[in-house]
Amino acid sequence: DGGITQSPKYLFRKEGQNVTLSCEQNLNHDAMYWYRQDPGQGLRLIYYSHIVNDFQKGDIAEGYSVSREKKESFPLTVTSAQKNPTAFYLCASTPGASTGIGTEAFFGQGTRLTVV
Amino acid sequence: GQQVMQIPQYQHVQEGEDFTTYCNSSTTLSNIQWYKQRPGGHPVFLIQLVKSGEVKKQKRLTFQFGEAKKNSSLHITATQTTDVGTYFCAGRSNYQLIWGAGTKLIIKP
Repeated sequence: DGGITQSPKYLFRKEGQNVTLSCEQNLNHDAMYWYRQDPGQGLRLIYYSHIVNDFQKGDIAEGYSVSREKKESFPLTVTSAQKNPTAFYLCASTPGASTGIGTEAFFGQGTRLTVV
Repeated sequence: GQQVMQIPQYQHVQEGEDFTTYCNSSTTLSNIQWYKQRPGGHPVFLIQLVKSGEVKKQKRLTFQFGEAKKNSSLHITATQTTDVGTYFCAGRSNYQLIWGAGTKLIIKP
């Protein structure tokens, strides 16, 4: 089955640590995205990538880093510079950067990160 | 920057009552998508509207796209417990998906 896999589902981080959240898709989608969701809030864009080896900052990129070395993988690192990292992180992909039909976003199951 | 405002933030309804959420964009959109997020889950795509003035129905859900392609609404008739969750609109503009903040549908006990 095609889809997006995020791991782990739950992650606990000590203050001062960097942690990496995994996102893998086998949908052959060009574009991938990372969102942060706080309780009762909407989705805020952290980073996005429309093509391999290229990515752009979203609205809240500070304290985060990404890489896009392979089309199917878009890992997110939450660095120690992110002062309030406790949140629900969602990875998504779309077929491409075009505005055409059928470009809906497919989401992974999410990773709940908690700072302890 | 480009924004999509979505209201209300919450709507409490009795089971069987109707529910409506509205989205308004600061710019003209190429299309608008609607998603549903169940409690503890991830957003799931419901529908996409592309044409000016378009209306689409999915059973008890009616989706509308405004004539100017800047606003949209989702109306649920006779809500059921299975409708509980947060409904998001996402407008596509300049190769980006711009998300509304979501409207949480709560069924009163």
